[in-house]
Amino acid sequence: AQSVTQPDIHITVSEGASLELRCNYSYGATPYLFWYVQSPGQGLQLLLKYFSGDTLVQGIKGFEAEFKRSQSSFNLRKPSVHWSDAAEYFCAVGLKTSYDKVIFGPGTSLSVIP
Amino acid sequence: DTGVSQNPRHKITKRGQNVTFRCDPISEHNRLYWYRQTLGQGPEFLTYFQNEAQLEKSRLLSDRFSAERPKGSFSTLEIQRTEQGDSAMYLCASSVMGSNQPQHFGDGTRLSIL
Repeated sequence: AQSVTQPDIHITVSEGASLELRCNYSYGATPYLFWYVQSPGQGLQLLLKYFSGDTLVQGIKGFEAEFKRSQSSFNLRKPSVHWSDAAEYFCAVGLKTSYDKVIFGPGTSLSVIP
Repeated sequence: DTGVSQNPRHKITKRGQNVTFRCDPISEHNRLYWYRQTLGQGPEFLTYFQNEAQLEKSRLLSDRFSAERPKGSFSTLEIQRTEQGDSAMYLCASSVMGSNQPQHFGDGTRLSIL
C-alpha cells in the first residue's frame, strides 16, 4: 500500500541554523511529491512540488527539496532558518490515479529557538 | 485568485446534533476535495468532486457524512448525529484538472463536539 513516513515528529533548531526534514514514501512508481507547511489554525500552503526532471526543486520561502529515487526520499532543506518558519510540515505523495489521490505524511513540527 | 474559503472557522455543538460546513473553491478549479485532520496527524482524504460529480469516497466517510457540490461551485459537508470522534479540523482543497496539479487548501473548519 502507498504510504508516506516522516521519521521526525518534532525538530528544534536555532535561528540561522540549517534545516533538513526527512520524508520517505512507498509507491510502486515514481510519484508526484509535495511539501506543505501549516501554521497553527491555518490551512496548508504549498512550499514546493516535484513532478519530473531536475531532482532538486526550489520552492517558496527559501526552501528546496531533493528527490532521490534510490532511497524513495524527498527531504526538505533550508540553509538558514528564520523564527517565522516555526510550523508543521507535511510531505505528500500524489498518486497517478483517476482522481489524483494525495496521501499526506504525519507531519514534522518545527520549533525555532531565537 | 481569492483562495479557498471555508465557513464557519469554528463550530461547537453538542453530541447528536447535525452540522454543515461550506467550502468555496478557487473559481476556475473544477476539482474539490474534503479532508479530515486530527491533532498531530496529516490530512486524511474524505471525498472528491469533479465539477458536480462526487467521484470518490473514503471508507472514513460513514453514512452519517454527506457531501454535495451543486452546480459544480461551492460544496457542503454535513455530519448527522455528531459523535465525540467527529471532533477534528475539516479541510477543503481545490485544484484544476491534471494529475500533477497541486491542491490549494482553505483554512479549515474546526469542529468541537461537547
